Amino acid sequence: DTEVTQTPKHLVMGMTNKKSLKCEQHMGHRAMYWYKQKAKKPPELMFVYSYEKLSINESVPSRFSPECPNSSLLNLHLHALQPEDSALYLCASSPRAGGARDGYTFGSGTRLTVV
Amino acid sequence: EDQVTQSPEALRLQEGESSSLNCSYTVSGLRGLFWYRQDPGKGPEFLFTLYSAGEEKEKERLKATLTKKESFLHITAPKPEDSATYLCAVQTFSGGYNKLIFGAGTRLAVHP
Repeated sequence: DTEVTQTPKHLVMGMTNKKSLKCEQHMGHRAMYWYKQKAKKPPELMFVYSYEKLSINESVPSRFSPECPNSSLLNLHLHALQPEDSALYLCASSPRAGGARDGYTFGSGTRLTVV
Repeated sequence: EDQVTQSPEALRLQEGESSSLNCSYTVSGLRGLFWYRQDPGKGPEFLFTLYSAGEEKEKERLKATLTKKESFLHITAPKPEDSATYLCAVQTFSGGYNKLIFGAGTRLAVHP
């Protein structure tokens, strides 16, 4: 299995809702990442998990709460989001947080719309 | 400040018309340069990793090269299915960890 699987593919939520994004990989990678990508912009790093521990938080607002229950699973819990948070949320993994000679593997993303 | 700049922002080619995309970077410590292809609404798809100046990688109609300050993605005789956004990203060491910093991308359209 050489894929990163993200669910759901699309999500529409109200500003008072609580929802979660899920990311799963079975490549044995020990580093997992959340990126946010606005239309026609490059992906921007949000969080890095290394060996199930949060290593980097790029000053992301607390309405985004990451969780790494085990080495294969990464969640992003959403609460009280704003319309400007609408974006494509990408999950990625690499063998370790020290980087990857063969690149980082990205999922197809969750298209989030906040209404 | 670490920075990645891609040019052109958009490129329109006729099928079979070869061209090059540019990625210039200023980083404190390069730990790899990556090229990705991204189709609309999809995640980036890994193409190449380059680590040292002078390194070259090839895959089908694509060839990536690296110098000390920039990388080029050469597309030879492109086909319409090569239409996509091509992202360049550099891996740098910051805060005790490697981080991937993306350029804004080049949107390539190949017309029959």
